[in-house]
Amino acid sequence: AQTVTQSQPEMSVQEAETVTLSCTYDTSESNYYLFWYKQPPSRQMILVIRQEAYKQQNATENRFSVNFQKAAKSFSLKISDSQLGDTAMYFCAFMKHMGDGGGADGLTFGKGTHLIIQP
Amino acid sequence: DAGVTQSPTHLIKTRGQQVTLRCSPKSGHDTVSWYQQALGQGPQFIFQYYEEEERQRGNFPDRFSGHQFPNYSSELNVNALLLGDSALYLCASSLALAGWGETQYFGPGTRLLVL
Repeated sequence: AQTVTQSQPEMSVQEAETVTLSCTYDTSESNYYLFWYKQPPSRQMILVIRQEAYKQQNATENRFSVNFQKAAKSFSLKISDSQLGDTAMYFCAFMKHMGDGGGADGLTFGKGTHLIIQP
Repeated sequence: DAGVTQSPTHLIKTRGQQVTLRCSPKSGHDTVSWYQQALGQGPQFIFQYYEEEERQRGNFPDRFSGHQFPNYSSELNVNALLLGDSALYLCASSLALAGWGETQYFGPGTRLLVL
């Protein structure tokens, strides 16, 4: 079974600063996918960014980027030029690749990091 | 493009009762997954439906059951409710079996309170 650990229950930064959220995971799988989801107070989970384990290049989406270290099983999220609207719970999630005919699996989530952007 | 919708938004039940939650997937999606999110926790995978069959299941008892209809919408049923079933129930949809890495898109959730 996979486990996902987010060691920072809460973080607070000033608007326009850069912040990095950490995530580590434990798995024996070699092929998998990693995600960062954002859950604002409105509670709808929104995809921030995804990474395929077979890709060495780190994923980026505008102000959001990841540092994927496969050997260390680490998947941190960097938010640049943080904005008030970035205030939310951030969840790191893991999905293993099931392969052809292998069926499907659900996401395994960490406990989340509450990010607060101060004006 | 309609996103994932869930109904109802809130629900209050008493112990021992049964509840049915509903989910309509994002347009074009054929796979529905259900998650339980307890207060202050990350979501936990309940099960996933594809082609009207349960394909994978997390560590949840048989009191949790589901159904997928030909139009890909889905229901989550919970029997013999316990106080510990109080949580936010999230539905997520994706295209094809999610094991191939297809991104899951979440609905707004149903908040269930068991008294």
